[in-house]
Parts: sequence; C-alpha cells; structure tokens
Amino acid sequence: NAGVTQTPKFQVLKTGQSMTLQCAQDMNHEYMSWYRQDPGMGLRLIHYSVGAGITDQGEVPNGYNVSRSTTEDFPLRLLSAAPSQTSVYFCASRPEWGSANNEQFFGPGTRLTVL
Amino acid sequence: AQSVTQLDSQVPVFEEAPVELRCNYSSSVSVYLFWYVQYPNQGLQLLLKYLSGSTLVKGINGFEAEFNKSQTSFHLRKPSVHISDTAEYFCAVRSLSARQLTFGSGTQLTVLP
Repeated sequence: NAGVTQTPKFQVLKTGQSMTLQCAQDMNHEYMSWYRQDPGMGLRLIHYSVGAGITDQGEVPNGYNVSRSTTEDFPLRLLSAAPSQTSVYFCASRPEWGSANNEQFFGPGTRLTVL
Repeated sequence: AQSVTQLDSQVPVFEEAPVELRCNYSSSVSVYLFWYVQYPNQGLQLLLKYLSGSTLVKGINGFEAEFNKSQTSFHLRKPSVHISDTAEYFCAVRSLSARQLTFGSGTQLTVLP
C-alpha cells in the first residue's frame, strides 16, 4: 500500500491564483481530513469527510473548498490564494470514525507559499 | 470542547539523558490520547496511543507515556535519548463524542551531542 499520498510537494502561487492540492489513500478509509501546520500553532483542521459525498468544516475552513466524490480522493481547493494561506498542508485518513481503531495516517505534506 | 496544551515549545537535552515532554488536555468526556512525531521535512508518524486499559503506554523507539486522568495529563518520556530523536512532537486528543483530533502546538526536542 502507498498509504496517503499528496501532490504537489511544493508550490508557489501569486495572490489571487487558484489551485488544487491532491490527496489520495489506498487503505479504503472512510474518514479523511486536511490540516494546515503553522509555526507555534500545531495542526489545525480545515475540512474533513466521513465518507464519499459527505464533507464538513473544521476549525479554519475559510478560503478552502473540498469535495469527496470517491472513497480514495479528497482534494483541497484554494479559489483565490492569499498570503495568509502560506503554510504546510497535511492530508490524513483513518478507518471509520466511530471505531476504536482510530490511528490516523498522514501524508508527507505540501509546502505552499503565496506571494 | 476538547483542547490540548503542550507546556514546552522547545526542549534541549544532551544525548543519553532522560526526557519528559508534557501534555495536558481538557475534555468533559472520556478521551483517546495520542503522541505523534514529525521528523524534519516529513509527515506525522504515530508514536503511541492510549485508548483504554493500562495507563502506561509503550510506543515505538523506546518512548512511553502515562495517562493520568486526575491530572488530565499524558506526558511522554524516554529514559535515554539519541541524536536521532531530534524532531517535533505533537500531543493530540479525541473525545469519544468528537470526530476529529485536536493537536497541541508541538514541542521541538533537540538532542545535543
């Protein structure tokens, strides 16, 4: 299994540009989520999904959209990038959210810089 | 609501010395607790977890943590650290009624030769 994969690894955008961060998992996990990591603030949840067709907002959803058309993929869209969105983005997945076996697996991250 | 406080943002320690990274949580219900490690320029890797049962949990790389319900703490310990333990460590909590993990702000452990 490849686990959780993310593309691209690095990205530089100009203010106002749009882009999509890709995330895929091959473990048939129902729960997937996106975090951003900023110095001194740990990981903050942006959006999450408990299954195909179901998404919900996390702690910091503004400026980001998500969709979940398949179990495997959970892309994160920035419609109009802002410098405040410069961060490292992590995608994560885990088995069904109600299960006691709730180890969360993380992708390698995408480093995004918005100029 | 659930929250996590990691009391130390940076912990320098000499090689082969013991280390304790502190974590306190807040939740009105029972919780699951986790420690993750992030090596430079990598994603997060699970170090250990407490779901139920014994309050002393052993993880990978010689780390262990003790769940203390009365003090709402889940401190991470290692009796003798190595240079390779240099990384950022995150404590995380998930209450039984919540869907998502809440992370602390992280502790940078630097092991000095």
